[in-house]
Amino acid sequence: NAGVMQNPRHLVRRRGQEARLRCSPMKGHSHVYWYRQLPEEGLKFMVYLQKENIIDESGMPKERFSAEFPKEGPSILRIQQVVRGDSAAYFCASSQQEGQYFGPGTRLTVL
Amino acid sequence: GEDVEQSLFLSVREGDSSVINCTYTDSSSTYLYWYKQEPGAGLQLLTYIFSNMDMKQDQRLTVLLNKKDKHLSLRIADTQTGDSAIYFCAETSNRDDKIIFGKGTRLHILP
Repeated sequence: NAGVMQNPRHLVRRRGQEARLRCSPMKGHSHVYWYRQLPEEGLKFMVYLQKENIIDESGMPKERFSAEFPKEGPSILRIQQVVRGDSAAYFCASSQQEGQYFGPGTRLTVL
Repeated sequence: GEDVEQSLFLSVREGDSSVINCTYTDSSSTYLYWYKQEPGAGLQLLTYIFSNMDMKQDQRLTVLLNKKDKHLSLRIADTQTGDSAIYFCAETSNRDDKIIFGKGTRLHILP
């Protein structure tokens, strides 16, 4: 049973470009969470999704950020018109009943 | 809102015990976690404790919970160089599933 997969592991974008981060949950998991880790800070919750539904997006910036978890395929965190402040590590976690399992993260660098 | 606090740095000599402390504010916390993050890597769940327990031991790791004082600690016995990492304290409550993290304690091992 593969763990939570995230790709790419490293992503470099220029200001104004779009970043797409993918997360494949563990097999059988239908709950996905996205967290952001800014340099020298802890992890902050962004959004919680179940298949085809956003359950809680209270931690996600209203502008430029969106997330989806379609019926088929991975969860996508999309950042439009990236700025330098978006540079961070983005972690995805999945769960089914209890306990969240984290992926290795995507490190986004905005030049 | 919920808050989790922990000291940012800890230096320990190899072979000694490390004790990492954490305080939290959410009185409805149900699960409390310790995660380990090695350089450039994702989060590894080390151990967790239910809020109705006061101690949990797992090999070299001992977790102590003082629910009255909302204080959680992680003791690592016989600290090794491989224990060098950032340790995150985290909690969830029964209100929702999102995990609230502290900023992490960077454990440095002295020879």
